[in-house]
Amino acid sequence: GDSVTQMEGPVTLSEEAFLTINCTYTATGYPSLFWYVQYPGEGLQLLLKATKADDKGSNKGFEATYRKETTSFHLEKGSVQVSDSAVYFCALGYSSASKIIFGSGTRLSIRP
Amino acid sequence: KAGVTQTPRYLIKTRGQQVTLSCSPISGHRSVSWYQQTPGQGLQFLFEYFSETQRNKGNFPGRFSGRQFSNSRSEMNVSTLELGDSALYLCASSLEQGGGKETQYFGPGTRLLVL
Repeated sequence: GDSVTQMEGPVTLSEEAFLTINCTYTATGYPSLFWYVQYPGEGLQLLLKATKADDKGSNKGFEATYRKETTSFHLEKGSVQVSDSAVYFCALGYSSASKIIFGSGTRLSIRP
Repeated sequence: KAGVTQTPRYLIKTRGQQVTLSCSPISGHRSVSWYQQTPGQGLQFLFEYFSETQRNKGNFPGRFSGRQFSNSRSEMNVSTLELGDSALYLCASSLEQGGGKETQYFGPGTRLLVL
């Protein structure tokens, strides 16, 4: 079946460091891919999405490229801020099914 | 435009009781999905409603049920609560019944503690 695998956390970085959070997926079809972010005490917010191979999603300095050949959708940011501290979820979804399949989440902590 | 709202935000129940959680989607959104989030199992899909009809259901026992009203507001009910039902329950709405490719907007969740 379909699944999403994320790198284990927590990830701790200093402010202005480069961020990569790895995400790989297993899919039986051609899903859309998402990154969601969850700040403490809040629900999930969509960070970015990509709907087909080679698409790049971007938002608030974060980027991720849909790589079909490596079944990956790694999240990157060139210079992180303390306010980026949160839990990040990689996910996939199909138009034919209502549910989104989430990865286990990666907790990111940024030191000032 | 107001976001997805969920009530109550926090709830404490005892084993064997039942609970009803409420979700109001973004105005104009017709699809509402429910998810359970726990430290052990992560985020798991419960069910989705569109135009008052359940369109898809996750792998949860029949104690978990839901419904949607004509104004798209949705409720989920858990009967005969078990300790393992303690979780954050998230509701998400989307504009159309576009399935998993559609962007879903999440509410802040209801945190349920079962004692």
